[in-house]
Amino acid sequence: DQQVKQNSPSLSVQEGRISILNCDYTNSMFDYFLWYKKYPAEGPTFLISISSIKDKNEDGRFTVFLNKSAKHLSLHIVPSQPGDSAVYFCAASVTGTYKYIFGTGTRLKVLA
Amino acid sequence: GAGVSQSPRYKVAKRGQDVALRCDPISGHVSLFWYQQALGQGPEFLTYFQNEAQLDKSGLPSDRFFAERPEGSVSTLKIQRTQQEDSAVYLCASSLDRATNEKLFFGSGTQLSVL
Repeated sequence: DQQVKQNSPSLSVQEGRISILNCDYTNSMFDYFLWYKKYPAEGPTFLISISSIKDKNEDGRFTVFLNKSAKHLSLHIVPSQPGDSAVYFCAASVTGTYKYIFGTGTRLKVLA
Repeated sequence: GAGVSQSPRYKVAKRGQDVALRCDPISGHVSLFWYQQALGQGPEFLTYFQNEAQLDKSGLPSDRFFAERPEGSVSTLKIQRTQQEDSAVYLCASSLDRATNEKLFFGSGTQLSVL
């Protein structure tokens, strides 16, 4: 069963606008979440994380929101830039363990 | 090195052939992970090492898959008698400590194609 789901396989956004990528999870034990970005032929690179004690974490143009009751998190990119075009993965884990469970990814295309 | 290094970058194997994939983690990183990423999917956990100890191998799909990290640095993932369903990108990642809420640093992966 897919414990971490990214239901939108792709998303296109105009440059300068907001990109919103969504992620849902089923395991209520998850308490730490990360977003990774992946360019073609490269490994995933860490973008931003959030602990379940927070509902928002911000780093420059990137903000992650966590809604624990809905078991939902989202990544906002404002303003979107063409260089943001990549596949974005959300991942979840339980503190005290080491296993990260990844979603299937969302391909973001930012149009110039 | 500056980052996680994996080799080879690409590997084509005939069905039934054995392959060995190498991972050189960031120097000093205690934790090392192997993930398998099939086309259009997210990375799936294979196995985890803390130094030289393999603490979890629950994600290895069959007994044809074997991983080692004998000196607590370089790791090798070996696949015996490769099958077509083994075709995927194999990602190695490392982190500084026990990986509890530690971000993972990934290599570029080895793309394995089994014909």
